[in-house]
Amino acid sequence: AQSVAQPEDQVNVAEGNPLTVKCTYSVSGNPYLFWYVQYPNRGLQFLLKYITGDNLVKGSYGFEAEFNKSQTSFHLKKPSALVSDSALYFCAVRALPTNAGKSTFGDGTTLTVKP
Amino acid sequence: DAGITQSPRYKITETGRQVTLMCHQTWSHSYMFWYRQDLGHGLRLIYYSAAADITDKGEVPDGYVVSRSKTENFPLTLESATRSQTSVYFCASSGTYNEKLFFGSGTQLSVL
Repeated sequence: AQSVAQPEDQVNVAEGNPLTVKCTYSVSGNPYLFWYVQYPNRGLQFLLKYITGDNLVKGSYGFEAEFNKSQTSFHLKKPSALVSDSALYFCAVRALPTNAGKSTFGDGTTLTVKP
Repeated sequence: DAGITQSPRYKITETGRQVTLMCHQTWSHSYMFWYRQDLGHGLRLIYYSAAADITDKGEVPDGYVVSRSKTENFPLTLESATRSQTSVYFCASSGTYNEKLFFGSGTQLSVL
């Protein structure tokens, strides 16, 4: 079975500081990894994905994520946080062939950026 | 409008009633999913479908039924609603097994 862990329920950073939101995964086979963001009373929006290739993936709104196969991690990062980045962030994994494209999500991490 | 739409946006029902949540996508995506979102549990997969007439259980399928007779529609039915099924329900779709998911706006369901 595939799974995703987001070890921090909450991350607090000051505006202008770098931020990291952690994610680790467990799959059989090659992982396809994703980050999504959810603003209050909204559906999830895609940020970035890792399929193959360069371990550093760049996405929307200045976010990036680093894939580390040996540590089975896919941490989300941003060099300089904005107050508007405050939201709920989800890491997700899809893998073949055992799970037929099923997408599994972590429990989410609430990011709060303070002015 | 093109995209993925869920209806209703809000629903209040009573225990024991049957409720159907609708999901429609206009991209002809192969994959469709139903998730529920609860505080402390993140998103949990209820059912998913890889194509029309192909569905499979997710993590929390008990008490739910799905069908997919047409590619664009993936309704979720609560056969006999219980209070524990009070939640926000999200439908999602994707074109292939390694693409991002597109989410609907969600249905907030309250079972009294």
